[in-house]
Amino acid sequence: GAVVSQHPSRVICKSGTSVKIECRSLDFQATTMFWYRQFPKQSLMLMATSNEGSKATYEQGVEKDKFLINHASLTLSTLTVTSAHPEDSSFYICSAGRWNQPQHFGDGTRLSIL
Amino acid sequence: RKEVEQDPGPFNVPEGATVAFNCTYSNSASQSFFWYRQDCRKEPKLLMSVYSSGNEDGRFTAQLNRASQYISLLIRDSKLSDSATYLCVVLLFSGGYNKLIFGAGTRLAVHP
Repeated sequence: GAVVSQHPSRVICKSGTSVKIECRSLDFQATTMFWYRQFPKQSLMLMATSNEGSKATYEQGVEKDKFLINHASLTLSTLTVTSAHPEDSSFYICSAGRWNQPQHFGDGTRLSIL
Repeated sequence: RKEVEQDPGPFNVPEGATVAFNCTYSNSASQSFFWYRQDCRKEPKLLMSVYSSGNEDGRFTAQLNRASQYISLLIRDSKLSDSATYLCVVLLFSGGYNKLIFGAGTRLAVHP
């Protein structure tokens, strides 16, 4: 069964709306969670690394104020896309794991901004 | 230069064929290596970890050459269900945290 749960799986909303995506590790405590974005026919692009109890580490070119990440516990990280615009429409995926072990991915969230 | 490079393909092969994918990585401090499989519009799923000694899981064999910074995946007796994009993934410990770096993926299409 799934070890990482991501919710919601699909979001359609108007431009200017803020959208929150949750990522939960179901039966283990994740030391690190990652957030990715994937545009059609392109590879996963790492957006940020979510560290429990501390500020997220963002990749170059990713706006911290636009993509708010909160990692409140070892089993939950949230990504909030603030004031979303059509260009933010994408497939957002989280992964969770422990140390240098393989990461497990959530099912992804398909975000469509009208 | 990309941190993880893969041939994008596509590789179009008949059922039963053997196909090999290659991957190179640029950071010699990379610690762990994986192959993931991603089906269209789905999340990546772990296929196998890659070890220096080489490892095999059924029809799949993975190899790692740290000196050459090269990773490979061999699929024997290809099945239609193997059609997917195969992602080479490197785990790098940098700046005090682990970071996963993905290759762009290699597309495989297995036909009858």
